[in-house]
Amino acid sequence: QVQLVESGGDLVNPGGSLRLSCAASGFTFSDYYMAWIRQAPGKGLEWVSYISTSSIHRDYADSVKGRFTISRDNAKNSLFLRMSSLRAEDTAVYYCARAYTSSSPFDFWGQGTLVTVSS
Amino acid sequence: DIQVTQSPSSLSASVGDRVTITCRASQTITNYLNWYQHKPGKAPKVLIYAASTLQTGVPSRFSGSGSGTDFTLTISGLQPEDVATYYCQQSFSTSYTFGQGTRLEIK
Repeated sequence: QVQLVESGGDLVNPGGSLRLSCAASGFTFSDYYMAWIRQAPGKGLEWVSYISTSSIHRDYADSVKGRFTISRDNAKNSLFLRMSSLRAEDTAVYYCARAYTSSSPFDFWGQGTLVTVSS
Repeated sequence: DIQVTQSPSSLSASVGDRVTITCRASQTITNYLNWYQHKPGKAPKVLIYAASTLQTGVPSRFSGSGSGTDFTLTISGLQPEDVATYYCQQSFSTSYTFGQGTRLEIK
């Protein structure tokens, strides 16, 4: 069955860095666009970043542009999010999700990993 | 970026009621509008994609309509298990955006 399992969430100081991972199984990972979406405490869903199947295309929300980097390893069925210069407002549950094309819905999501930015 | 405005922000209805949530985009997105259901502690789940196509396995009481800039999610015959927060999301632009969410409760 399809599985997306996020890991790497932690408590980190403002200005610090963190790397999130998402392990995929149960489907052909290299066929799917992948994305990170977050939910801050008491807030709604916010798209963070996406990456195309071959990593040629990537995009970021303005709120994280220049600080976050998305990448993937199709050989290892893994998605990553490198987060730097972290701010309190980056505190959220981070979900990875898949989409078959750039205009498709996010049809499967992981359970999320919590990132807390606080001193 | 395309803005997506969802209303209402919260809604209380009785079991069996017909419930409607609306979503308006800041520019035309043709039919690239998706609806999600999110329950606390769970992964979000797509209900409707391409404005009106029901995702496999989703109960038929959920339906979607609209095109261009104005869209609607309807639940015909509200059930207790429908308590959740609902989000619309545009996939016309890869700077994806979600609506602010609608928290649905049972009276």
